[in-house]
Amino acid sequence: QVQLVESGGGVVQPGGSLRLSCVASGFTFSNYAMHWVRQAPGKGLEWVAFIRYDGSNKYYPDSVKGRFTISRDDSKNTLDLQLNSLRPEDTAVYYCAKDRVRGYMDVWGKGTTVTVSS
Amino acid sequence: DIVMTQSPDSLAVSLGERATINCKSSQTILHTSNSKNYLAWYQQKPGQPPRLLFYWASTRESGVPDRFSGSGSGTDFSLTISSLQAEDVAVYYCQQYESTPYTFGQGTRLEIK
Repeated sequence: QVQLVESGGGVVQPGGSLRLSCVASGFTFSNYAMHWVRQAPGKGLEWVAFIRYDGSNKYYPDSVKGRFTISRDDSKNTLDLQLNSLRPEDTAVYYCAKDRVRGYMDVWGKGTTVTVSS
Repeated sequence: DIVMTQSPDSLAVSLGERATINCKSSQTILHTSNSKNYLAWYQQKPGQPPRLLFYWASTRESGVPDRFSGSGSGTDFSLTISSLQAEDVAVYYCQQYESTPYTFGQGTRLEIK
């Protein structure tokens, strides 16, 4: 079945870095755009990154632009998110999500937790 | 950026009764070129990731019970549950995908009265 499994979360100090990964299965990964969405503890959903199916375009909100980088490796069915210059407000569950068409998300992983704290 | 505002923030409805959640965008998310509203609805139960319920504002995702309906156009949208069931307790989010940054509403918590 269609599945997304995130990994790489953990506890990191402010200013530190972390790399999240998402392994996809059950669908032709290279045909689909992908997203990262995060959810701070007890808060709502915040979109943080998008990459087109061919990797040609990447988009970010201002809150993470210049600090986060999304990438994909279609040979490994893997989506990554490099998180640099982390801040306490980046603490959240990070979800990987598949884009069906044009920006809505039809499959979600269970998430990986990032905690930024000294 | 397009701001999505949901109302109410929380809602308590009796089992079997109707529940309606509203979502308003700060600018139109209707594309006149294809007459599509670039709006999705998601359901999130405690400890679970979000689940897609509707896209294009009113197209129900496969497997979503037909007691759920999505409506609206332009800037004003609604999610309605015609007869609330216990398993519908969740937080519901709207999301616009008309333009980046993609943005979500703040969420509406639905509970049983």
